[in-house]
Amino acid sequence: NAGVTQTPKFRVLKTGQSMTLLCAQDMNHEYMYWYRQDPGMGLRLIHYSVGEGTTAKGEVPDGYNVSRLKKQNFLLGLESAAPSQTSVYFCASSSGLAGVHSYEQYFGPGTRLTVT
Amino acid sequence: AQSVTQLGSHVSVSEGALVLLRCNYSSSVPPYLFWYVQYPNQGLQLLLKYTSAATLVKGINGFEAEFKKSETSFHLTKPSAHMSDAAEYFCAVSWVFGNEKLTFGTGTRLTIIP
Repeated sequence: NAGVTQTPKFRVLKTGQSMTLLCAQDMNHEYMYWYRQDPGMGLRLIHYSVGEGTTAKGEVPDGYNVSRLKKQNFLLGLESAAPSQTSVYFCASSSGLAGVHSYEQYFGPGTRLTVT
Repeated sequence: AQSVTQLGSHVSVSEGALVLLRCNYSSSVPPYLFWYVQYPNQGLQLLLKYTSAATLVKGINGFEAEFKKSETSFHLTKPSAHMSDAAEYFCAVSWVFGNEKLTFGTGTRLTIIP
């Protein structure tokens, strides 16, 4: 049981380049989330999904797009990278079901992105 | 807007001393409350959560937190700090039912002094 995995772990982009971050979970969770973590700002929600084929905007969605074509995968895209998108990106998932583990989010190890 | 505030971005305690990390939320409706820990270069790990059951919640690694509605607080404590507790700690709240979104505080970095 790998939990939540993220690919890649590190990436350096030049301004204007595009890339896709992949998040995969093997816990059959309904809900998935993308956050960015910046020093002194905690984690901020970029986009989230409450099920296969659905996505919604979070707190800081500008400059990012997402897709959830399969239940286990949640992709985060940067169409034209900017230095302000230099950050550590975390993916998380939660079951979406009532029960003892409801509202518990499980996090991946993160992707460190630098945009020069 | 609803928010969560962590007082003190850095806290240092001696090994064996009490750990107290503060978290306050703004809401008239009691939310679900969480503490997460992040070790260097890792993702976040759930320490404990409050979901309107017992107000004193026990978590992993000897940590506990008490929900106080009158103070809108959910402070994290541990009676005796260990070197392995050095990490960053995040308080988080969830108000919205149906998507389980979390709003995080800005984090508190805990340093343990030998």
